[in-house]
Amino acid sequence: EAGVAQSPRYKIIEKRQSVAFWCNPISGHATLYWYQQILGQGPKLLIQFQNNGVVDDSQLPKDRFSAERLKGVDSTLKIQPAKLEDSAVYLCASSLGTRQARLHTEAFFGQGTRLTVV
Amino acid sequence: AQKVTQAQTEISVVEKEDVTLDCVYETRDTTYYLFWYKQPPSGELVFLIRRNSFDEQNEISGRYSWNFQKSTSSFNFTITASQVVDSAVYFCALISNFGNEKLTFGTGTRLTIIP
Repeated sequence: EAGVAQSPRYKIIEKRQSVAFWCNPISGHATLYWYQQILGQGPKLLIQFQNNGVVDDSQLPKDRFSAERLKGVDSTLKIQPAKLEDSAVYLCASSLGTRQARLHTEAFFGQGTRLTVV
Repeated sequence: AQKVTQAQTEISVVEKEDVTLDCVYETRDTTYYLFWYKQPPSGELVFLIRRNSFDEQNEISGRYSWNFQKSTSSFNFTITASQVVDSAVYFCALISNFGNEKLTFGTGTRLTIIP
């Protein structure tokens, strides 16, 4: 089975520019997550979708970050305008399940997009 | 609030040695789940194990074993007879059933196996 696909793998932008990341989850997976992983830290959840609805976006900096999940399948994460502290790896994951603890067992992660803001 | 501490930032061992990665957690909930993930250089997170708070049995899977001790709030991970392919960053994580239900990760331990 195909895994979670993310693009691009790498992106370098100047501060105040905008950037978008794309994620294609595993077919049939209802739950999709975006995580931010700053160098030397563990991943931090930014937003969780179930189908095309937002379940949790409490840690998403909504003044500059936005995300959508088109028709409950692909998802895009956008940053506008970017700041230096947004430099990180952005990981997308998907899961078949819906119960919180179980779905993290079943979650599959993409390889991430490494963003560098200069 | 919940917190996961991985005090070992980096560990290097020679191939075939055993190595233990430490994980200490904090949570007020009595029902919670602990995880270990592996992050190889390619970047994706690979699920290794989930343990619920009511199951303190140690688990062994091939060369991997996990020691869960509620008395010390620890969930340590041991690799026996390490191999070069075990080189990666390993994350311990926690989610509580009745808390904010966010998966909280530790800062990770970078393991390097020297051939």
